[in-house]
Amino acid sequence: RKEVEQDPGPFNVPEGATVAFNCTYSNSASQSFFWYRQDCRKEPKLLMSVYSSGNEDGRFTAQLNRASQYISLLIRDSKLSDSATYLCVVDPSSGNTPLVFGKGTRLSVIA
Amino acid sequence: DVKVTQSSRYLVKRTGEKVFLECVQDMDHENMFWYRQDPGLGLRLIYFSYDVKMKEKGDIPEGYSVSREKKERFSLILESASTNQTSMYLCASNPSGRSSYNEQFFGPGTRLTVL
Repeated sequence: RKEVEQDPGPFNVPEGATVAFNCTYSNSASQSFFWYRQDCRKEPKLLMSVYSSGNEDGRFTAQLNRASQYISLLIRDSKLSDSATYLCVVDPSSGNTPLVFGKGTRLSVIA
Repeated sequence: DVKVTQSSRYLVKRTGEKVFLECVQDMDHENMFWYRQDPGLGLRLIYFSYDVKMKEKGDIPEGYSVSREKKERFSLILESASTNQTSMYLCASNPSGRSSYNEQFFGPGTRLTVL
């Protein structure tokens, strides 16, 4: 069962570059969507929620396409500190059910 | 600050031993979760609990059991550890209600090695 799929990467980009990650989900009834960030040897932490209209938080922009069942994360002006694994996360139903995590996309920003 | 703590950062056990991994959260969260994370496989849900004395199987419960006697504490038990249970174990919690409204907070993880 592959409910949430991501390109594992790694994406190696120079500082200042713009990079985009996509994620697809299989359950069309999914209600809510998130991006989590996981630094090397650390626990995952919420980066941002993804809203239907798209949303932005500084250099980060998240977008949702329900018709095509994919979510994207765009990072502008990449910093060395953006190097991490980015996990796409989906709430599969309207009940109190566990979140479904993608396997993550690894990003390395290079000086 | 929400805090989820796990009893050990690193643990080395022998095949066949009974292993207890403890998780404690200090924010009065109803929901607690145990995951394991392996390279190339991502986070996989082992068990979760929505209330004291409640447990639900996740995607990979075989070889594991859990205990939730108090709201703040959720224990993962490996009845007879095997080498294929060598992994990073992550505990998480969030408040009740739709999980989508509530950020899931993770502990720092326990890296378990079974020899």
